[in-house]
Order: sequence, then C-alpha cells, then structure tokens
Amino acid sequence: GAGVSQSPSNKVTEKGKDVELRCDPISGHTALYWYRQSLGQGLEFLIYFQGNSAPDKSGLPSDRFSAERTGGSVSTLTIQRTQQEDSAVYLCASSPSRGFSYNSPLHFGNGTRLTVT
Amino acid sequence: AQSVTQLDSQVPVFEEAPVELRCNYSSSVSVYLFWYVQYPNQGLQLLLKYLSGSTLVKGINGFEAEFNKSQTSFHLRKPSVHISDTAEYFCAVSDRGQGGSEKLVFGKGTKLTVNP
Repeated sequence: GAGVSQSPSNKVTEKGKDVELRCDPISGHTALYWYRQSLGQGLEFLIYFQGNSAPDKSGLPSDRFSAERTGGSVSTLTIQRTQQEDSAVYLCASSPSRGFSYNSPLHFGNGTRLTVT
Repeated sequence: AQSVTQLDSQVPVFEEAPVELRCNYSSSVSVYLFWYVQYPNQGLQLLLKYLSGSTLVKGINGFEAEFNKSQTSFHLRKPSVHISDTAEYFCAVSDRGQGGSEKLVFGKGTKLTVNP
C-alpha cells in the first residue's frame, strides 16, 4: 500500500528564500511528525501533530519554522528566510493512532533533501 | 526530558562476525525503546521495539536487543552479520506520552559497515 509521501524529494534554494515542504501521511493516520536529519546529528524532532492540532512544537528551531496540518491529513512545513544551516533532510512520519508505540511504529517517508546555497 | 547516546558513530566489521551497537538512554520515567535502520538511500524502518515484558527483544533480519533498566541500556546485537546489514542504525526512546507528547527521541546513529 501507499506509504508516507514527501515532496519535493530534493529542493535547492537561495539563502533568504522561503520554502514549503509537503507530507502526505498514510491514509487514516492521525499522528504526524516532522524530524530533521543533519549529517552527524541524527534525527532532531521538530513538531508533532495529533489530528490538526500540534501538542508539541518544542523542536522548531526558530520562529522562521512553522507547520500546519489540514483535514487531519496533509502537512506543510514552511521555512522562511532560509539560512545555510537549514540544509538537511526533512523527514515526515505518521502513525495510525494515539499511542503509536503500542502496535504500530512510526512510518517514515523518504524525506526532502533541502540545500540552501 | 529523555536523551539517547549511541557511543559509536561508526562500526566496521567483517562479514559473519558478531556485532554489538551500543545505546544508552536517560529518562526520569518509564520508557519504550526502539531501534530503526536506514539502508543507503532509503527511509527509516523499524528493526525492533521494547514496550514491556521480556527484556530480550527479537527483531527482523536476525537482530536482537536487550533492555537493561539498571544500566539504562538497549544494545543491539547480531551473532553473524552480512554485507547487506551495512546501514545506519538509530536507537530511539519514548516517554510513553507522560511528558505530554509522544515523540521519539533519537540518538545520532551508528554507521555499520560490513566488509567482505
């Protein structure tokens, strides 16, 4: 079946531009997560959605980062005025219900590789 | 808040040798523990998880991990590795939602390279 889909797969942008990264979770998954994967830094949590609300946005690095989720489905991560240190792979993951850890793991997308020049 | 330490950033081994990838965590509450694997140019996939019960957990591809509460460790092991096990391995911890969120906190990863 269809997995978590992220677009674009690659994005090159100039410093100072805004970018939008999209995540289509698995149909019916209510929990959605954004992570950032930088070289040598592992996966850094950014934000967690349950439905359309975000109970935990503690990982967003600055106010240049924002995310929204509509219809309990698609999510968009927006980075304004991009900086070179924003270059990373941005990963989205979804889970079928609250309490992901009980019966089902996080399902990850393949990520968007963002390069800020 | 939880944290995860993967002590080795890179582990080279020869094919058919045993391997142990180390993971230690810190948390003030009970936790769930996970290992994820990321093969080259692929997304992350779950290898195994510890939720409760037996402290020895078996996962896919012959991997297993043992939860040691007193040492706050969850080391990953395989008795005999294959070339195809070459990948990056991530240990992760969750506080079961007790912190108000259900996020996974990941370690920085261990790159396992299996040489012929």
